Amino acid sequence: DQQVKQNSPSLSVQEGRISILNCDYTNSMFDYFLWYKKYPAEGPTFLISISSIKDKNEDGRFTVFLNKSAKHLSLHIVPSQPGDSAVYFCAASVTGNQFYFGTGTSLTVIP
Amino acid sequence: NAGVTQTPKFRVLKTGQSMTLLCAQDMNHEYMYWYRQDPGMGLRLIHYSVGEGTTAKGEVPDGYNVSRLKKQNFLLGLESAAPSQTSVYFCASSYSVRAGDEQFFGPGTRLTVL
Repeated sequence: DQQVKQNSPSLSVQEGRISILNCDYTNSMFDYFLWYKKYPAEGPTFLISISSIKDKNEDGRFTVFLNKSAKHLSLHIVPSQPGDSAVYFCAASVTGNQFYFGTGTSLTVIP
Repeated sequence: NAGVTQTPKFRVLKTGQSMTLLCAQDMNHEYMYWYRQDPGMGLRLIHYSVGEGTTAKGEVPDGYNVSRLKKQNFLLGLESAAPSQTSVYFCASSYSVRAGDEQFFGPGTRLTVL
């Protein structure tokens, strides 16, 4: 059973606008969450993370929000750029244990 | 630094054949992982290692074996390949499993089993 879900397989956004990627999880014990970005024919690369003691973490154009009561996290990219076009995976873990990955959302930023 | 490298990049096998995928990392990481990525399934952990000489099962270990004889290498073996093992395989490594120590991924191996 999928413990981490990304219900939107794809998303298209105009350059300069905000991209919002969503992720839901079922295990309330998860306390560490990450977003990875993946270009075709490459491995995933780490983008941003958040611990369950926080509800927001920001790094430049990327912000991750965590809503523990809703078991939901989201990644905001502002402003979106064509180079952001990639597949984005969210992942969650109970610290010290394995990560569970979502199925990914393919983001296309239209110039 | 090469980071995490995987050999080979592509491979086609016939059902019943065996092969070994090699993962190497030059970051002196203790932890290494093998994942498979399938359409609609995300990345799923096959096996992992918490240090040289140690291995453990992940979420989908059946049909695979692993070895970690050297700290920098993590091998994934398929003894008798099946079409269900057609997938993209990613190796990853990390310094620890503490929050803040993310996993670094290799470029992947695309395996097709006919």
